[in-house]
Amino acid sequence: DSGVTQTPKHLITATGQRVTLRCSPRSGDLSVYWYQQSLDQGLQFLIHYYNGEERAKGNILERFSAQQFPDLHSELNLSSLELGDSALYFCASSLSGTVNEQFFGPGTRLTVL
Amino acid sequence: EDQVTQSPEALRLQEGESSSLNCSYTVSGLRGLFWYRQDPGKGPEFLFTLYSAGEEKEKERLKATLTKKESFLHITAPKPEDSATYLCAVLRYGGSQGNLIFGKGTKLSVKP
Repeated sequence: DSGVTQTPKHLITATGQRVTLRCSPRSGDLSVYWYQQSLDQGLQFLIHYYNGEERAKGNILERFSAQQFPDLHSELNLSSLELGDSALYFCASSLSGTVNEQFFGPGTRLTVL
Repeated sequence: EDQVTQSPEALRLQEGESSSLNCSYTVSGLRGLFWYRQDPGKGPEFLFTLYSAGEEKEKERLKATLTKKESFLHITAPKPEDSATYLCAVLRYGGSQGNLIFGKGTKLSVKP
């Protein structure tokens, strides 16, 4: 158990809908990262927050957004969902935002029908 | 372009048959190289961080090494419970903070 929690574990929804994925980092970690993992692309970095502020963006679509709250939990919002958005979404946390190891949560499996 | 390539894509071993997994990288400046283990449907589990060429780290049957162009994950006398996908990732200087670039992984199967 990494100490990072994610809810829900599974999410099934329809095209065009909007969903919110939630992540709670390990106690004491200030950084939260979001990744998308699909069969053909592997793990792709989406976005990084540090202590409430956005620090970096990766391959994140404009339909996706995220935020980190004062209690350091984070939410990833996915809107106007398409079939291709079906994937595993992982949250990771680390102590700071530099070279520290990132610890991953169990993931949310999103299926868009 | 920064790139991380892992080989082989899949590896089948008999229990006790030692082998190595390769991670080659091209980045403009390496800040750290990370190894993770991932079981099906689960989040990656952190194994090692390597920072500079020549560095080695060990954990049970696993040993990770780093050169200027690649890293190896050596598995000595593997057991069936070592079966998993092993992921390599790099963090580079000048890149977005915390932005790990992952390889596609090596899927290891160890048969009893």
